[in-house]
Amino acid sequence: QKEVEQDPGPLSVPEGAIVSLNCTYSNSAFQYFMWYRQYSRKGPELLMYTYSSGNKEDGRFTAQVDKSSKYISLFIRDSQPSDSATYLCAMRGSIQGAQKLVFGQGTRLTINP
Amino acid sequence: SAVISQKPSRDICQRGTSLTIQCQVDSQVTMMFWYRQQPGQSLTLIATANQGSEATYESGFVIDKFPISRPNLTFSTLTVSNMSPEDSSIYLCSVEDWSGNYGYTFGSGTRLTVV
Repeated sequence: QKEVEQDPGPLSVPEGAIVSLNCTYSNSAFQYFMWYRQYSRKGPELLMYTYSSGNKEDGRFTAQVDKSSKYISLFIRDSQPSDSATYLCAMRGSIQGAQKLVFGQGTRLTINP
Repeated sequence: SAVISQKPSRDICQRGTSLTIQCQVDSQVTMMFWYRQQPGQSLTLIATANQGSEATYESGFVIDKFPISRPNLTFSTLTVSNMSPEDSSIYLCSVEDWSGNYGYTFGSGTRLTVV
């Protein structure tokens, strides 16, 4: 079993739709949860960062973490064609020391005009 | 946030040869990380490079195949040695970036094709 599971998609939705992207994980030591967006032929860029359980909102993006269920989500409201990219969840343990970042497989998202 | 320049951006190499990838950061960082992203796959950590010490390799990756240099706090190189087609991948460097977010910043990647 992989430490982090993410549906690779692809996911295709019409412009303006609400998009839900999800990851599950098995390591209860994970405390820091991130979502990265990766455009084609580019490196991943940090989109959202959340510590422990709870919600975090930034514009059209909302990240949710449910540590009891080991489940994290990213919601995109009013999706735009420019949101078309691969979205990767990532997580790590304690901020101290060299805890490595573990990535999900990535979900390829296409927003259709 | 930190800005990373990575080069080359892409290369096509003959099997059996080696390629050195360079990563330059615009600020001093303690740790630099090298990842591999195979086609359609997620990012896999190859090694962590600290300045002044040997790189720490993840399971499945060895120094003879992926030697790393870290001569100062802003620069690192990754060499892919004795390449085979299975090494065709995107290679990315990354740094921890504590300026505002406990996240990691990535370079734009090196797309390597081995023929």
